[in-house]
Amino acid sequence: DIVMTQSPDSLAVSLGERATINCKSSQSVLYSSKNYLAWYQQKPGQAPKLLIYWASTRESGVPDRFSGSGSGTDFTLTISSLQAEDVAVYFCQQHSSLPLTFGGGTKVEIK
Amino acid sequence: QVQLQQSGPGLVKPSQTLSLTCAISGDSVSSNTWNWVRQSPSRGLEWLGRTYYRSKWSVDYAVSVKSRITISPDTSKNQFSLQLSSVTPEDTAVYYCGRNPAEVSTITDWGQGTLVTVSS
Repeated sequence: DIVMTQSPDSLAVSLGERATINCKSSQSVLYSSKNYLAWYQQKPGQAPKLLIYWASTRESGVPDRFSGSGSGTDFTLTISSLQAEDVAVYFCQQHSSLPLTFGGGTKVEIK
Repeated sequence: QVQLQQSGPGLVKPSQTLSLTCAISGDSVSSNTWNWVRQSPSRGLEWLGRTYYRSKWSVDYAVSVKSRITISPDTSKNQFSLQLSSVTPEDTAVYYCGRNPAEVSTITDWGQGTLVTVSS
């Protein structure tokens, strides 16, 4: 199984400032020139919501302050200007091979 | 717009079978791929398995539950179900169903989640 490791476990960022979350996979998720890496946002009591797939493709309706980057085994989710509604837990997930596996999550709060 | 509506009991006794259903609107169970995922504080988000139709029905299961899990489609009701047998308290979790469109290869739409507690 591909192990997904996120850092940090939590971070506090001021409104309007940048938030950066890292994700590392135990093996490459690059296949046929696509990185099979997704990012989800989860708010309390809600199901995860897909933000980004293929490492950098934003899901329809997701604000452009969310961006994904990286390749191979190292990836980053950036929130360029944190808004109050972005307070949530963020998960990375590889969709390169079964079983689908998720990172442990990063909790983003307002400083 | 695709909607997934989960149903099933929130309390299951140890050694019994957990059964959940995911009703689909806005899509067909015979299209795309349909998943079950669970989430608990101890195990995080854990993918359990999936079903899909490509000339015939197929399933894939996580090794951790392979001997106990059945995911099956119901085309007459446009839904799919999860059965997990011989449950223990370690199976206590929020269970989610999810849709995986072929063009994206990951879960884009999720059910509302069902908290299932295994307790006598």
